[in-house]
Amino acid sequence: NAGVTQTPKFRILKIGQSMTLQCAQDMNHNYMYWYRQDPGMGLKLIYYSVGAGITDKGEVPNGYNVSRSTTEDFPLRLELAAPSQTSVYFCASRTLYSDTQYFGPGTRLTVL
Amino acid sequence: AQSVTQPDIHITVSEGASLELRCNYSYGATPYLFWYVQSPGQGLQLLLKYFSGDTLVQGIKGFEAEFKRSQSSFNLRKPSVHWSDAAEYFCAVGSNTGNQFYFGTGTSLTVIP
Repeated sequence: NAGVTQTPKFRILKIGQSMTLQCAQDMNHNYMYWYRQDPGMGLKLIYYSVGAGITDKGEVPNGYNVSRSTTEDFPLRLELAAPSQTSVYFCASRTLYSDTQYFGPGTRLTVL
Repeated sequence: AQSVTQPDIHITVSEGASLELRCNYSYGATPYLFWYVQSPGQGLQLLLKYFSGDTLVQGIKGFEAEFKRSQSSFNLRKPSVHWSDAAEYFCAVGSNTGNQFYFGTGTSLTVIP
């Protein structure tokens, strides 16, 4: 049982490049979340999904896009990377019946 | 609007000493409250949570937290800290729909021998 996995672990992008951060869970969880963690700022919710085909914006969605075509996968897309998107990105999931979130190990992204 | 405040950015305690980490929240309805721990380079792990009922909740690793509605607080405690408790601790509040969660800025704990 792998839990929540995220790839890549680290990435450096140039301004204007695009990339997709991958997130997968093997626990059949309905809910999935993307957060960013900036130093001294805690975690901010970017997007979340309550099930396949259903996504919604969180606190800081600008500059990001998501899709949820399967229960297992919830990729986060950065179309035009900006230095302000330098952060650590965490994916999390939970079941319909519990508020306990399970977090992935994170992706550290630097935009130069 | 929902928010969480952790007033202490960094705390240093001696091994074996007691610990209290503060958390204050702002939420219009009955809050769902959480404490998470993050070790360096790792994701977050749930320590404990409060939804309703007994205001003193027990968690993993010997941690407990007390919900005080009158003070809008949910402070985390541990009677005797171990060196392995050194980490970042986050308080969070969940919306009653369960769709969104709001995290505090975290408290970094250093444990000295």
